[in-house]
Amino acid sequence: TQLLEQSPQFLSIQEGENLTVYCNSSSVFSSLQWYRQEPGEGPVLLVTVVTGGEVKKLKRLTFQFGDARKDSSLHITAAQPGDTGLYLCAGRSSNTGKLIFGQGTTLQVKP
Amino acid sequence: KAGVTQTPRYLIKTRGQQVTLSCSPISGHRSVSWYQQTPGQGLQFLFEYFSETQRNKGNFPGRFSGRQFSNSRSEMNVSTLELGDSALYLCASSASGGGTDTQYFGPGTRLTVL
Repeated sequence: TQLLEQSPQFLSIQEGENLTVYCNSSSVFSSLQWYRQEPGEGPVLLVTVVTGGEVKKLKRLTFQFGDARKDSSLHITAAQPGDTGLYLCAGRSSNTGKLIFGQGTTLQVKP
Repeated sequence: KAGVTQTPRYLIKTRGQQVTLSCSPISGHRSVSWYQQTPGQGLQFLFEYFSETQRNKGNFPGRFSGRQFSNSRSEMNVSTLELGDSALYLCASSASGGGTDTQYFGPGTRLTVL
């Protein structure tokens, strides 16, 4: 069974701080996605990374896919209260094509 | 374009009953996937339908079933409900369900089993 370990599970920081969320697996994924989910809504796709070593930036968010395509990270610079939410990583299994989600990181940014 | 819609948004059932949830994908999308989200297990894949055929299936018991209609709308059914089936059920649609295809999630149906 392919698993994605996401850490930390909870993060509470002050506005302006930086943070990094990690997503690790022993399995290789053909692609990896990051989502953000707010209460009462479904997850919204932030980014898809496909190539090992790939780095993508989305304003203050930086996403990295590990060289071996087994891990990924999300770095947020100068967090703002609007960044508060549940962040989910999801890997596309190379074998089955299924999308496997990490447990999620609940981020709270206090003003 | 209208987003993915799910009905009903909230549902309360008792153990042993059955339930049917509905999902209308974005117009033109042919792939619909269903997920179960709980605080303990996170988001878990149930199944995916493409052009009325189940293309992929997660590790859930046979009490969980689904189908897709010719207009790509999908339903999932859970029979003989158990307390542990209480969860947020999310539906996601994409154009083709391919590897890097963007999935658009609906707001979910919150099912409570008493």
